[in-house]
Amino acid sequence: GDSVTQMEGPVTLSEEAFLTINCTYTATGYPSLFWYVQYPGEGLQLLLKATKADDKGSNKGFEATYRKETTSFHLEKGSVQVSDSAVYFCALSLQGGSEKLVFGKGTKLTVNP
Amino acid sequence: GAVVSQHPSRVICKSGTSVKIECRSLDFQATTMFWYRQFPKKSLMLMATSNEGSKATYEQGVEKDKFLINHASLTLSTLTVTSAHPEDSSFYICSIQAAYEQYFGPGTRLTVT
Repeated sequence: GDSVTQMEGPVTLSEEAFLTINCTYTATGYPSLFWYVQYPGEGLQLLLKATKADDKGSNKGFEATYRKETTSFHLEKGSVQVSDSAVYFCALSLQGGSEKLVFGKGTKLTVNP
Repeated sequence: GAVVSQHPSRVICKSGTSVKIECRSLDFQATTMFWYRQFPKKSLMLMATSNEGSKATYEQGVEKDKFLINHASLTLSTLTVTSAHPEDSSFYICSIQAAYEQYFGPGTRLTVT
């Protein structure tokens, strides 16, 4: 079945460090790919998405590129801030993004000043 | 984006009792809402899709008689955990479908003693 695997956390970084959170997927079709972020005490928020191969999603300094050849959608940010501390979820959907989201387990990121 | 609330945010109940969790769309008329369950250190698992005015569609392995879903209006869906047991303790999250995206509530922590 369809699945998402993302790197185990927690991840602890110092402010201004480079961030990579790996995400790979298995899907029977051509999924749309997403990164969601959950700040403490809040609901999941869409961070970025890509709907086809080689698309790059970006938002708030975060980027991820849809790599069909490696079935990956790694999240990167060049310089993290304390306010980026949150749990990050990689997800896929085979239905355009609004239904049947399949999530990874989440990666908790803590950024220290 | 759409704003989604859940009530209560935390609930503790005794084994054998029933608990109702509300999911409200505050600024969008949601014909479709989703209910997820999240175990510690595991990904969100879709439980059911709730459609306004019709019966919910449950995912495989989810007991529809145990997890009763009512989507009586375009702004409210409820999840009732009937005859709760300790193994039902979990984090329950709802989301709404709006403009081809999902918007998530902050979640409800259920603890069954």
